[in-house]
Amino acid sequence: GAVVSQHPSRVICKSGTSVKIECRSLDFQATTMFWYRQFPKQSLMLMATSNEGSKATYEQGVEKDKFLINHASLTLSTLTVTSAHPEDSSFYICSARKSGGRETQYFGPGTRLLVL
Amino acid sequence: SQQGEEDPQALSIQEGENATMNCSYKTSINNLQWYRQNSGRGLVHLILIRSNEREKHSGRLRVTLDTSKKSSSLLITASRAADTASYFCASASSGGGADGLTFGKGTHLIIQP
Repeated sequence: GAVVSQHPSRVICKSGTSVKIECRSLDFQATTMFWYRQFPKQSLMLMATSNEGSKATYEQGVEKDKFLINHASLTLSTLTVTSAHPEDSSFYICSARKSGGRETQYFGPGTRLLVL
Repeated sequence: SQQGEEDPQALSIQEGENATMNCSYKTSINNLQWYRQNSGRGLVHLILIRSNEREKHSGRLRVTLDTSKKSSSLLITASRAADTASYFCASASSGGGADGLTFGKGTHLIIQP
């Protein structure tokens, strides 16, 4: 199989704090991971592409200094929401593509962030 | 940028009936994928169709792709209550640059028992 986990599954934080979300590929190596955001009753929007050992590529309109991405190993990418505000409350979903693979992305279960 | 459009946005049918959802996209693609999402949960990959394919089947699912019209459809036959979920198409661009998926807005399907 190809299992992707995310931690935590849900987090509540105060405005102004930073939150780190982990995305792990459990049984495969992933050179490339993707981070998506989904607001309530809306679709998923790609935020950034994370490549192991290099800087992430951010989509237009996504602040790289606010959403810090680190992909230090072939099985782990982290997304840190810095100085979170209520408007950052959302469902964050990562996906991972197998090293050498070109098509299928395997999605994590998502992390629900609520900023008070 | 969000490019996929799906219709209908919401669909309610009786159990046993067939459900058809449509999706359009704007750029050239390598493949198009369909996902299911239960409320507040992660995505479940349903089926992938490549740009050189026109139709694909998987169990009760049938997907078509018309690259000339930049559209795809997902047909679920003999629907069940457990099929109630939101369904999204996602296209993988064949252009250069970032290769994350571009998702459609989704169709919320309700199967009435």
